[in-house]
Amino acid sequence: KAGVTQTPRYLIKTRGQQVTLSCSPISGHRSVSWYQQTPGQGLQFLFEYFSETQRNKGNFPGRFSGRQFSNSRSEMNVSTLELGDSALYLCASSFDTRGIAFFGQGTRLTVV
Amino acid sequence: QKEVEQNSGPLSVPEGAIASLNCTYSDRGSQSFFWYRQYSGKSPELIMSIYSNGDKEDGRFTAQLNKASQYVSLLIRDSQPSDSATYLCAVNPSNTGKLIFGQGTTLQVKP
Repeated sequence: KAGVTQTPRYLIKTRGQQVTLSCSPISGHRSVSWYQQTPGQGLQFLFEYFSETQRNKGNFPGRFSGRQFSNSRSEMNVSTLELGDSALYLCASSFDTRGIAFFGQGTRLTVV
Repeated sequence: QKEVEQNSGPLSVPEGAIASLNCTYSDRGSQSFFWYRQYSGKSPELIMSIYSNGDKEDGRFTAQLNKASQYVSLLIRDSQPSDSATYLCAVNPSNTGKLIFGQGTTLQVKP
């Protein structure tokens, strides 16, 4: 079984731009969650989608948004990028609600 | 108070010793608990999940859960240099896909 696939692996963007990250979950998994990891804040929950519906949302500004498609693939978007958005963005997929989450390789976003 | 707390370390143990990693959580209603390992520059990988009070063993790893004390621990027996990594404790407070992570404990196993 293929694992969680995130694209792209690396991104460099300029302040003020927007970015879209993609995540393909493990086949059969309907829950997709997104996390931001920085050295100072650690792993922080952004949001979770289950069957195309946002089920949970973390404490991030509205510039961070996401969606899930009918095939469970998910995208997250960050608008009006700030330097502080530089981070590793991780996607995780789960089969059930008990939260056994498997992570993708992540997208390393650098905002300059 | 942080929702999930871990000692950031580093925790240094000699090869072959037992490494003990600890985690406390604040949401008393939490039902699912996980330990992830993260090597530098890599993504977290699941080591153990535990849902009931007591011990759960898998190879050299033992997870321990005490819901009354809101405490989760991970023991690594016969520690190897390849175990050197950051260990993340995660709690699922609501049986959905949301996980709350601790800051992680850095483990160094010295040959």
